[in-house]
Amino acid sequence: KAGVTQTPRYLIKTRGQQVTLSCSPISGHRSVSWYQQTPGQGLQFLFEYFSETQRNKGNFPGRFSGRQFSNSRSEMNVSTLELGDSALYLCASSPGVMERGEQYFGPGTRLTVT
Amino acid sequence: AQSVTQLDSQVPVFEEAPVELRCNYSSSVSVYLFWYVQYPNQGLQLLLKYLSGSTLVKGINGFEAEFNKSQTSFHLRKPSVHISDTAEYFCAVTRTGSARQLTFGSGTQLTVLP
Repeated sequence: KAGVTQTPRYLIKTRGQQVTLSCSPISGHRSVSWYQQTPGQGLQFLFEYFSETQRNKGNFPGRFSGRQFSNSRSEMNVSTLELGDSALYLCASSPGVMERGEQYFGPGTRLTVT
Repeated sequence: AQSVTQLDSQVPVFEEAPVELRCNYSSSVSVYLFWYVQYPNQGLQLLLKYLSGSTLVKGINGFEAEFNKSQTSFHLRKPSVHISDTAEYFCAVTRTGSARQLTFGSGTQLTVLP
């Protein structure tokens, strides 16, 4: 089975721009979660989608948003980029229904804001 | 809410020596506990998980961890490390029933010296 894929792997943007990151979960998985990893704040939960609905949301400003499509692929969007948004963005998938808590992570998208 | 404290930010150890990476958590509800490993420029890989049952759990690559409810700890151990174990290790917790929102510790960099 193919793992979680994320595109693009690397991205450079300028302050004020917006960016969209994509995540394809493992086949059959219906839940997709997003995390931000920075040296200063560590790994922080952004949000989780299940069957196209956002089920959980972390403590991030409204500039961070996401969505999930009917095929379970997910995108996250960051508008009006700030320097502090530079981070590794990780996507994780899980079956989503009565599973025992295991999430499978993708390789991440490295976003650099200049 | 849950929180995780990884007591050591860096652990250097010689090859073939034993190692213990310490993790304490705080939660007012039942939790699942995990250890993940991250190699440079990669995503997170699950090493092992505690969901219920036996408090000693075995994972991949010879790692094991022991859940201690009274001390709210979940320390990771390996009896003999290899150079290839050099990586960053993250302890994570999630409350049961919301298994797709992980709270991570700040990470422990394990460096195995020849």
